[in-house]
Amino acid sequence: GEDVEQSLFLSVREGDSSVINCTYTDSSSTYLYWYKQEPGAGLQLLTYIFSNMDMKQDQRLTVLLNKKDKHLSLRIADTQTGDSAIYFCAEIFHGSSNTGKLIFGQGTTLQVKP
Amino acid sequence: GAVVSQHPSWVICKSGTSVKIECRSLDFQATTMFWYRQFPKQSLMLMATSNEGSKATYEQGVEKDKFLINHASLTLSTLTVTSAHPEDSSFYICSARQGGTPRFETQYFGPGTRLLVL
Repeated sequence: GEDVEQSLFLSVREGDSSVINCTYTDSSSTYLYWYKQEPGAGLQLLTYIFSNMDMKQDQRLTVLLNKKDKHLSLRIADTQTGDSAIYFCAEIFHGSSNTGKLIFGQGTTLQVKP
Repeated sequence: GAVVSQHPSWVICKSGTSVKIECRSLDFQATTMFWYRQFPKQSLMLMATSNEGSKATYEQGVEKDKFLINHASLTLSTLTVTSAHPEDSSFYICSARQGGTPRFETQYFGPGTRLLVL
């Protein structure tokens, strides 16, 4: 079955880099996603990576993908207090459906201390 | 970017009543909408997928008679929690996918509806 695992909590100081890790099980996932959820709000897509890529950089965000180990990470450079939120990784699982669905990890709470 | 709204943003109701939550795509047509449920400190769990004009596809373990989904137009889907009980209290999030291809980067999430059943 499909499963996405994340560590639950990360605390960093403002200005440091944050690295949030994720492992997934479905090797046929074509895209992998990182979402941000602020308190009481829906999800905001931060970035995504296609499965044939090893790395994607978007301003302060760097996504690394190790397809062999099914490991995905999100690095936030120069972390700011406004980055405090819950971060979810997600993979697409198709199963028997052509539509596919997003399978989310448990979410990593990022706490940024001033 | 594309906007998805939900109404109401929060609702408190008595046990046994039914509650309807609306999900609207404001500036695009959504052929597919998704309903998720999120318990405190937990991840989003997909409840059902609905395509405009057809019956929703429910995930295993989700009671379709309990959680009624109607996707009557390309911009509106509704979730009705029938005969709500305290264990139905949760944060319900909808999302809408733009376009006909299964591209999840064009899946936009609503702000969520917090339901508290007393």
